[in-house]
Amino acid sequence: AQSVTQLGSHVSVSEGALVLLRCNYSSSVPPYLFWYVQYPNQGLQLLLKYTSAATLVKGINGFEAEFKKSETSFHLTKPSAHMSDAAEYFCAVTEGGNEKLTFGTGTRLTIIP
Amino acid sequence: GAVVSQHPSWVICKSGTSVKIECRSLDFQATTMFWYRQFPKQSLMLMATSNEGSKATYEQGVEKDKFLINHASLTLSTLTVTSAHPEDSSFYICSARGQSGYGYTFGSGTRLTVV
Repeated sequence: AQSVTQLGSHVSVSEGALVLLRCNYSSSVPPYLFWYVQYPNQGLQLLLKYTSAATLVKGINGFEAEFKKSETSFHLTKPSAHMSDAAEYFCAVTEGGNEKLTFGTGTRLTIIP
Repeated sequence: GAVVSQHPSWVICKSGTSVKIECRSLDFQATTMFWYRQFPKQSLMLMATSNEGSKATYEQGVEKDKFLINHASLTLSTLTVTSAHPEDSSFYICSARGQSGYGYTFGSGTRLTVV
């Protein structure tokens, strides 16, 4: 069975500082991993996805994530936080051939001016 | 890019009435549609999965007679909350997957309030 754990339900960083949102996964087969962002009362927007190609994945808005099989991790980073990055972030996993996305519990990112 | 249009964005209904939520894929064929429910400050919980022309597959604990899902065409899926009660108040989000790639396109969500 697949699962995702997001460490830290709330993360606060100063504007211009590094953003690091943690995600660890569990999967019985090679996973496909995703990061989504959700703004209040809106749906989810895909930031980036890993689908067994390059382990360092670059996404939109300056975000990137690195797939580390040995650590079963897929942490999301951004070198310099912007006020507009304040939102809820979800990590999700699906196993090859299984279409269901399993979401983590989410991390609320707050940017301090 | 792929777009899923979800309507309405918000709806308030009286207890005991039914509400229909629509999701349309605007520029691709959605072979599979997923319906999620999200409680305040919580993650998305999958309610059901539907494939075009087939009956929906519901997750454990989700009442199929209460949450009716129809996926009659490759561009339209609907979720009907029947005989709604205040505990059905939630944020409902659809997600569509096309025939190619591992792309999941999400609708903008529907805020349902039952009074």
